[in-house]
Amino acid sequence: LAKTTQPISMDSYEGQEVNITCSHNNIATNDYITWYQQFPSQGPRFIIQGYKTKVTNEVASLFIPADRKSSTLSLPRVSLSDTAVYYCLVGDPGTYKYIFGTGTRLKVLA
Amino acid sequence: NAGVTQTPKFQVLKTGQSMTLQCAQDMNHEYMSWYRQDPGMGLRLIHYSVGAGITDQGEVPNGYNVSRSTTEDFPLRLLSAAPSQTSVYFCASSPGDEQFFGPGTRLTVL
Repeated sequence: LAKTTQPISMDSYEGQEVNITCSHNNIATNDYITWYQQFPSQGPRFIIQGYKTKVTNEVASLFIPADRKSSTLSLPRVSLSDTAVYYCLVGDPGTYKYIFGTGTRLKVLA
Repeated sequence: NAGVTQTPKFQVLKTGQSMTLQCAQDMNHEYMSWYRQDPGMGLRLIHYSVGAGITDQGEVPNGYNVSRSTTEDFPLRLLSAAPSQTSVYFCASSPGDEQFFGPGTRLTVL
């Protein structure tokens, strides 16, 4: 199973774009990259998933370079309510065995 | 849809006691899993299931049993509770990509 490495914490200001990078050097051919958000005392919530290049939805973008050994979650114009822990996961949807890393604690400041 | 439900929300056990944490989903998802989250840490996969009658071990399976007799239910059994099992337990279900998490069960073992 591919392990992931993320920064432990980040600070940002409201209205800024935030980019959180995840390293996954051992990613396998069938693995997808998924990001989750977790608020205190709640279960994680799905943000975005991708395999390669760029994926965008209504809340975030996910950039994956050609070698797929890293990925970057981009949150446009963050607000105070985006303060949370963000997890990068790498896994094969066919096996359903996903391993969470330690996550990145994002703090958005006014 | 109720989504993923977990009972109880809180539980206190004495060392050596056994109990079952309940998890149910009404989305007809094939995949279900159990995670534990210790304070300030990421989630660790305990057991998972890719369909009724099929279960497999995750990262930290020792001390826990699971069964999957129906698509809807995936109970987690603690055989003989230990203080090291004090944690928040999250159940999740998935159609294959995005995981939907329950609200969690906060377990304290004295």
